[in-house]
Amino acid sequence: GQQLNQSPQSMFIQEGEDVSMNCTSSSIFNTWLWYKQDPGEGPVLLIALYKAGELTSNGRLTAQFGITRKDSFLNISASIPSDVGIYFCAGQLPSGSARQLTFGSGTQLTVLP
Amino acid sequence: GAVVSQHPSRVICKSGTSVKIECRSLDFQATTMFWYRQFPKQSLMLMATSNEGSKATYEQGVEKDKFLINHASLTLSTLTVTSAHPEDSSFYICSASPGTFSYEQYFGPGTRLTVT
Repeated sequence: GQQLNQSPQSMFIQEGEDVSMNCTSSSIFNTWLWYKQDPGEGPVLLIALYKAGELTSNGRLTAQFGITRKDSFLNISASIPSDVGIYFCAGQLPSGSARQLTFGSGTQLTVLP
Repeated sequence: GAVVSQHPSRVICKSGTSVKIECRSLDFQATTMFWYRQFPKQSLMLMATSNEGSKATYEQGVEKDKFLINHASLTLSTLTVTSAHPEDSSFYICSASPGTFSYEQYFGPGTRLTVT
């Protein structure tokens, strides 16, 4: 199936620092979504992007839908301990059926006090 | 809004038995529900797509006779793992999509299945 390349795979940062992660693909996507997953829980939707170039914020989180429609990034500003978790990007292909999403491999974020 | 529940959260069963997992959208109607499987430290693997009132569409490599999916209403889908074996032990997560024009999926909290 289609692959989303998500990077970095893991990050260790100090509390208060800003974080950036991104997803790229060789394919064009109609929709980009960013999720956060805590251990033993289901992913929680953070931000949804629907238009190329769209920049959307949710509190300290900001995400952008790349102008080429092949990439997206997520920024977290002023990180706090509860930001720890795995962040997944997900995209919906134009040719995708039944609203299926393609998921990135995840970015494991650790925030050090 | 957009709350999805899953039951049970954890289940331990003996090899050869069947286990049913329920997924409910609590405050919206879900035309489509999805079932995923997740191994430790890995991404979500789509198993099947479930549309209300019709047969589920299974991904390649997923045995439809082993993983029975029923989507009897717009708020409930069930996954039954039949004749479970230890290799079926995993974290199973459902998601629900609320609308025709929305690609957003809202996930349940997951079910940890352990087959002994």
